[in-house]
Amino acid sequence: DIQMTQSPSSLSASAGDRVTITCRASQDISYYLAWFQQKPGKVPKLLIYDASTLQSGVPSRFSGSGSGTDFTLTISSLQPEDVATYYCQKYNSVPSSFGQGTRLEIK
Amino acid sequence: QVQLVESGGGAVQPGRSLRLSCAASGFTFSSYAMYWVRQAPGKGLDWVAAISYDGSNKYYTDSVKGRFTISRDDSKSTLYLQMNSLTVEDPAVYYCARGGYCSGGTCYSRPFDIWGQGTMVTVSS
Repeated sequence: DIQMTQSPSSLSASAGDRVTITCRASQDISYYLAWFQQKPGKVPKLLIYDASTLQSGVPSRFSGSGSGTDFTLTISSLQPEDVATYYCQKYNSVPSSFGQGTRLEIK
Repeated sequence: QVQLVESGGGAVQPGRSLRLSCAASGFTFSSYAMYWVRQAPGKGLDWVAAISYDGSNKYYTDSVKGRFTISRDDSKSTLYLQMNSLTVEDPAVYYCARGGYCSGGTCYSRPFDIWGQGTMVTVSS
């Protein structure tokens, strides 16, 4: 099975900072990569799919890039409401496994 | 309104069984692959089981093979997860999620864009 590895596992940044989270697949998954945001006690929310396509309704400060095995999620200007755990997911084939998550906090 | 609603969670003793249900509405359920994902307290998201749009293919994570069974009833637009021989490793919030779809003979890999609200499973003696 393809393994998804995120880094860092946790991150603390100030409001207004540019934040980048990376996700690496153990094999080529083309562009079949999604990013989710999960706030405590809430259902995961799809932010980005196909590596770089913003889901409808998601603020434009979120962006994604990459293909093959290396991907990034970028928040251009961190807002207090962005405090959450972020997960990448590959979906080119079953199983649609997730990264271990990146916990994002505000300083 | 496109939605998934889970039910069937609860507290059981080790070795017992539970059946989770996930009722779909607002979309053509029979065209979509469906998944169960779980999240243990304080942990990340783990894929548990998947079923193809037509039910012909089923997949399980290693830790539940032989114990859990995924199924679907397209006439009821409902997904199921039969969980047998539950262990202390199984407690989690269980989510159902919508995956890829097939249309006109072509199937498309898609991310989990619709999730249920989750149902809690507790295993304790």
